[in-house]
Amino acid sequence: DIQMTQSPSSLSASVGDRVTITCRASQGIRNYLAWFQQKPGQAPKSLIYATSTLQSGVPSKFSGSGSGTDFTLTISSLQSEDFATYFCQQYNSFPPTFGPGTKVDIK
Amino acid sequence: QVQLVESGGGVVQPGRSLRLSCAASGFTFNSYAMHWVRQAPGKGLEWVAVISYDGSNKYYVDSVKGRFTISRDNSENTLYLQIDSLRAEDTAVYYCAKDLHSGTYYSYYFDYWGQGTLVTVSS
Repeated sequence: DIQMTQSPSSLSASVGDRVTITCRASQGIRNYLAWFQQKPGQAPKSLIYATSTLQSGVPSKFSGSGSGTDFTLTISSLQSEDFATYFCQQYNSFPPTFGPGTKVDIK
Repeated sequence: QVQLVESGGGVVQPGRSLRLSCAASGFTFNSYAMHWVRQAPGKGLEWVAVISYDGSNKYYVDSVKGRFTISRDNSENTLYLQIDSLRAEDTAVYYCAKDLHSGTYYSYYFDYWGQGTLVTVSS
């Protein structure tokens, strides 16, 4: 199975900050990388797929980039509603696998 | 809008069985592959199983093969997960999720998720 890692595991940021989260795959996954946001007690919400394609309804402050094994999620200007845990997921190889998550909290 | 509503979770003794349901609405259910994904308390996400749009193909993560069975009733717009021989490590919130693509191709990307149903395995 492809192992997904994320860094950092957690970060503290302020409203208005630019935040970048990194996701790394144990082998190449082309551009088959997705990002999800999860708030406490809620289901994951789809943000980005195919590395950089925004899910319908997701604001443009979220962006994704990368290819092969290294990927990033960027939030251009953090707002209060963005404090959550973010997961990456590869869907290039079976079985699909997720990263361990990055928790973004308020500084 | 797309809605997925899971039910059927609860507290169950080890070795017993449980059937989870996911009622779907807001999209053409019989055109899409559907998935189950689980999350143990305080842990990350684990994909569990997928079923094709017509129910003819099913795939599972190795850790649940032989104990979990995914199925669907397209006439009722409902997805199921039968869990047998429950173990403590099956304790998790179980989410149903819709595949991005319709038809015979599974993307294994989940564009919509239900709110989840909690299964607790405990004696």
